[in-house]
Amino acid sequence: NAGVTQTPKFQVLKTGQSMTLQCAQDMNHNSMYWYRQDPGMGLRLIYYSASEGTTDKGEVPNGYNVSRLNKREFSLRLESAAPSQTSVYFCASSDWAQNIQYFGAGTRLSVL
Amino acid sequence: SQQGEEDPQALSIQEGENATMNCSYKTSINNLQWYRQNSGRGLVHLILIRSNEREKHSGRLRVTLDTSKKSSSLLITASRAADTASYFCATDNYGQNFVFGPGTRLSVLP
Repeated sequence: NAGVTQTPKFQVLKTGQSMTLQCAQDMNHNSMYWYRQDPGMGLRLIYYSASEGTTDKGEVPNGYNVSRLNKREFSLRLESAAPSQTSVYFCASSDWAQNIQYFGAGTRLSVL
Repeated sequence: SQQGEEDPQALSIQEGENATMNCSYKTSINNLQWYRQNSGRGLVHLILIRSNEREKHSGRLRVTLDTSKKSSSLLITASRAADTASYFCATDNYGQNFVFGPGTRLSVLP
């Protein structure tokens, strides 16, 4: 029972490089989310997708793009990484009934 | 701006003691949830309390909600070393998205 799976677990980028963080869930949830977590800041929402085919900006969307590939998969892309994007990124999914969020293990990204 | 704010930021207690964490929020909510995060891991849902509920229990967890004061508390009774983690409250604002607070870091000393 995998739940929410994120890849990769760790990544080091140089400033200006691009990369895509992958997320997949096997719980048939409609909604998916991308958060970043910085020390002392809690989680901040980057983008979310309320259902397949829709995406919306969260609190801190600048510098990121997302794709809801299908109901299972929601990817986060950094087109030109900056040191300010050094963070831990979490993907989550939820159903519409209770809106309890299920989180992946996170991706630790360092941008040098 | 953050909706939920936990208090205290950090808490150290001895095994067997009770731990209480508080959460304050600013606007009307549909429900409030508490999550736990072990070091280096993702968040795990602990308990959900709806806006029309005042208290809820789950094992050693007790959550209260006071909508007039826009606050909630999480009580962990008879704490164990395995309870060492960060605890976050998250508010669900009627279909708008979750807002998480910065968390309370709990250390339970053996």
